[in-house]
Amino acid sequence: EDQVTQSPEALRLQEGESSSLNCSYTVSGLRGLFWYRQDPGKGPEFLFTLYSAGEEKEKERLKATLTKKESFLHITAPKPEDSATYLCAVIGNGGFKTIFGAGTRLFVKA
Amino acid sequence: DGGITQSPKYLFRKEGQNVTLSCEQNLNHDAMYWYRQDPGQGLRLIYYSQIVNDFQKGDIAEGYSVSREKKESFPLTVTSAQKNPTAFYLCASSIDGRRGEKLFFGSGTQLSVL
Repeated sequence: EDQVTQSPEALRLQEGESSSLNCSYTVSGLRGLFWYRQDPGKGPEFLFTLYSAGEEKEKERLKATLTKKESFLHITAPKPEDSATYLCAVIGNGGFKTIFGAGTRLFVKA
Repeated sequence: DGGITQSPKYLFRKEGQNVTLSCEQNLNHDAMYWYRQDPGQGLRLIYYSQIVNDFQKGDIAEGYSVSREKKESFPLTVTSAQKNPTAFYLCASSIDGRRGEKLFFGSGTQLSVL
């Protein structure tokens, strides 16, 4: 069964304190791994898609990496506006259903 | 601007009542989805549709119903058979749902029970 596990559940950082969020996945043939950002009371917003192990993508202070078993979302010198829930999701070759993890809630204090 | 519009933002249901959540998109996407989000849990798929007049059950379809009479619209009805309906409901779309592409989400509807 396809599964996504994210850790930690919550992460509290000081402004400028870099860290990483983890996404471990089990899927029958990875078609794509996705990262989304979700602000309270709003829908998720797409950040990145990764397709194969070794792939990396960057956007401002965020960098996503992918291995055969997990993905990391690295946050460099975060700012308070980076506070949000970050969701990881996968689609396998078995179908087109997207499987989501429970998310990591990030709090960045000024 | 292209996007997905969900309404209402907040909805209250009385016991025994059916309620309908609206979802409209102007992205010209073929595939549309309904997800349920509960605190501390990942998004769970309720129903999905890849084409007009066709839809499939997701993982938690019991107590819900949908229709897809137009490409742009995918309303979700929460029936009285859904005994625990309080949750945040998200509508999403993708280009055709066959290639593993990213999802575009609406802003959500918070449903609560009176």
